[in-house]
Amino acid sequence: DSGVTQTPKHLITATGQRVTLRCSPRSGDLSVYWYQQSLDQGLQFLIQYYNGEERAKGNILERFSAQQFPDLHSELNLSSLELGDSALYFCASSVATGGSSPLHFGNGTRLTVT
Amino acid sequence: GENVEQHPSTLSVQEGDSAVIKCTYSDSASNYFPWYKQELGKRPQLIIDIRSNVGEKKDQRIAVTLNKTAKHFSLHITETQPEDSAVYFCAAMDSSYKLIFGSGTRLLVRP
Repeated sequence: DSGVTQTPKHLITATGQRVTLRCSPRSGDLSVYWYQQSLDQGLQFLIQYYNGEERAKGNILERFSAQQFPDLHSELNLSSLELGDSALYFCASSVATGGSSPLHFGNGTRLTVT
Repeated sequence: GENVEQHPSTLSVQEGDSAVIKCTYSDSASNYFPWYKQELGKRPQLIIDIRSNVGEKKDQRIAVTLNKTAKHFSLHITETQPEDSAVYFCAAMDSSYKLIFGSGTRLLVRP
């Protein structure tokens, strides 16, 4: 167990809908990263937060947004869902930002858009 | 931004043989290079990492080498076992704190 908690584990929804994915980092970790993994694909970096502030942004769609709350949990909001958004969404956390500490991944949320 | 290329995409070895996976990166300011193992349907798990001030690191059967001049790094697994079968990802953290992953190598260890 990595200590990173993601909910829900599975999510099935229809095109055009909006969903929220939640991540609780490991105790003591200040950084949260979000990644998207489509079927048999690599891990695409979406966004990173550090202590409540956005630190880095990848190729995140405008339909997607995220935030990190004062208690350090993070939420990823996906709206106007399309079939192509179906994927595994991983959250990872680390103690700090930069190269000083490794990332630990949660078990992911599997999103299916029908 | 950082770009990480990884090869081969698939690798099949006989149990007991060695496996080598290679990655190149583009951002010369990148300073942290982890390797993750992902089993089917599970989360990526860190197996070893190396920082830019070190050229090689070993942990039992696993070793990673880094050549900063050439901007490439490699994962070496010796005495492979069937349980080593998985997808392996290299990654590089660039100067803007993004951890960018390679496309993955599917390793199959034949008993």
